[in-house]
Amino acid sequence: GAGVSQSPRYKVAKRGQDVALRCDPISGHVSLFWYQQALGQGPEFLTYFQNEAQLDKSGLPSDRFFAERPEGSVSTLKIQRTQQEDSAVYLCASSSLHTRPEKLFFGSGTQLSVL
Amino acid sequence: AQTVTQSQPEMSVQEAETVTLSCTYDTSESNYYLFWYKQPPSRQMILVIRQEAYKQQNATENRFSVNFQKAAKSFSLKISDSQLGDTAMYFCAFMTLTGANSKLTFGKGITLSVRP
Repeated sequence: GAGVSQSPRYKVAKRGQDVALRCDPISGHVSLFWYQQALGQGPEFLTYFQNEAQLDKSGLPSDRFFAERPEGSVSTLKIQRTQQEDSAVYLCASSSLHTRPEKLFFGSGTQLSVL
Repeated sequence: AQTVTQSQPEMSVQEAETVTLSCTYDTSESNYYLFWYKQPPSRQMILVIRQEAYKQQNATENRFSVNFQKAAKSFSLKISDSQLGDTAMYFCAFMTLTGANSKLTFGKGITLSVRP
């Protein structure tokens, strides 16, 4: 596609529910990043993929957070047993790795509200 | 670890005037990059300007320019001839090329309002 696409745009979950957030990066982009942006804060790094390999998951806040990119394109961020503190905008970004530093292209995010 | 500090939570400027947004950072790295991103209500992060730490010359992009003071670890953004479309949140960000990836560290952001 022309840009990074994320779905759904909004997600409301009851506390304890599992959610899955989808990121469709720009075609051919090798690198994919997930960021979490709490209300009134800057985005914080969650995890990084290079193709299908998850090379850095140091930012995932707990073992309830899980990300995958099985075929090296679309990625899914899954949050199990959601809690109120998980409420945030989840941003996805992709890049081609052909230039250093990488130019990241961001999606419009998924706003997750946990009630 | 790197930290990025934006101490001004919000600013307001009259259309056509100039405004400067402040940012300081802390790092032990010698090779890094600094960015300013704009985030409008659509939530999509848009790159405004980029500065390589090894370059002494300040980056400029049309109405946007930076004042990069490496010794002071300061990286401010100047917006000239402010336009209504500049209203957004602005984030200062740091990137190092060490490690497996080029992840960004963001500041808390500043809300800029341009008044007609």
